[in-house]
Amino acid sequence: AQKVTQAQTEISVVEKEDVTLDCVYETRDTTYYLFWYKQPPSGELVFLIRRNSFDEQNEISGRYSWNFQKSTSSFNFTITASQVVDSAVYFCALTGTYNTDKLIFGTGTRLQVFP
Amino acid sequence: DGGITQSPKYLFRKEGQNVTLSCEQNLNHDAMYWYRQDPGQGLRLIYYSQIVNDFQKGDIAEGYSVSREKKESFPLTVTSAQKNPTAFYLCASSVGAAWTYEQYFGPGTRLTVT
Repeated sequence: AQKVTQAQTEISVVEKEDVTLDCVYETRDTTYYLFWYKQPPSGELVFLIRRNSFDEQNEISGRYSWNFQKSTSSFNFTITASQVVDSAVYFCALTGTYNTDKLIFGTGTRLQVFP
Repeated sequence: DGGITQSPKYLFRKEGQNVTLSCEQNLNHDAMYWYRQDPGQGLRLIYYSQIVNDFQKGDIAEGYSVSREKKESFPLTVTSAQKNPTAFYLCASSVGAAWTYEQYFGPGTRLTVT
């Protein structure tokens, strides 16, 4: 069965601190895709990144970076120099390539960045 | 502006009434989805449609119904059979039918049933 675990329910940091959000997944598939979404207080989920299982290179986009490690089944998300606008709930999600594989979401991590 | 619209943002209903949540997209996406979000939980799939005039049940379809008569519209009806309808409902779409495409979400509808 496919599963996504985000063990950190809530994280609080002070602005300019770096913060890492953990995501651990389980899957039977050899080919799979991982996603991160951001849900600000407005409620709309915003797509951040999609990564397939064959691409283990880390990705950096501005202050955001992602560390994909197949050996530990993890796809962690780091925000460098956090800002108040980063306050949101962040979801990690997983899908495989079988037609029966749907998009499985973790329970989310609420990040609060204080000024 | 291309995107997904959901209306209304807040909806209040009495127990026993059916209610329909609107979802419209102008992204020309083939697939559309409905999710339910409860406090402290991830998103759970209610229904999805990969093509017009076709839709499939998700993990928690009981008490809900949908239609997909037009590519851009995917309304969700919460029926009186749904035992705990109070929740935040999110509609999404993706360019292709495969689950590997990223999904784009609407702003959501918060439904309160008393």
